[in-house]
Amino acid sequence: QKEVEQNSGPLSVPEGAIASLNCTYSDRGSQSFFWYRQYSGKSPELIMFIYSNGDKEDGRFTAQLNKASQYVSLLIRDSQPSDSATYLCAVKYGGGSTLGRLYFGRGTQLTVWP
Amino acid sequence: KAGVTQTPRYLIKTRGQQVTLSCSPISGHRSVSWYQQTPGQGLQFLFEYFSETQRNKGNFPGRFSGRQFSNSRSEMNVSTLELGDSALYLCASSGGRTNEKLFFGSGTQLSVL
Repeated sequence: QKEVEQNSGPLSVPEGAIASLNCTYSDRGSQSFFWYRQYSGKSPELIMFIYSNGDKEDGRFTAQLNKASQYVSLLIRDSQPSDSATYLCAVKYGGGSTLGRLYFGRGTQLTVWP
Repeated sequence: KAGVTQTPRYLIKTRGQQVTLSCSPISGHRSVSWYQQTPGQGLQFLFEYFSETQRNKGNFPGRFSGRQFSNSRSEMNVSTLELGDSALYLCASSGGRTNEKLFFGSGTQLSVL
């Protein structure tokens, strides 16, 4: 059974703070890890993805992987009220030339207050 | 470049009816995946199509089916609707240079009464 677990929150941080979101996964065969942001009433939007070989930084966002403990984290620096959304962690298992099947966590709701 | 287009945006059906949802992927994308999103279960994978062939299928009953056409457009069908089928159905496409990225459409909100 491939599972992806997230703390549902809600997580509340003040504007300008660092928001830290975590996700654990069950299968060591995981290859790619994704963070999606979903605003209320909207569809998920990809904000970061990393492979099993390293971390990644993109602007205010940093995704980190801890393979030994099987968790992925997303750090949002200088959080803004516009970052308030639900953050979905997703994992891809196995290879293949197409993407398609991702296993999603249930999401962590983040609120950034001014 | 146009994004993923899903139609209709909203649907209201009654139990026992069937429904067909449509998805047009981003131009050049050949992979289309379908997901069901509910507050209780989150995003659940339904199936994936690539070049008109089903590549993966999730753990949904046979009432859920899909297909992909030669222009990569996809449809999913749900027969004999049940109350529990009420959900947001999301289509996502991927391919080309953005192969590792799933782009989601706005979804179809299905309500079964």
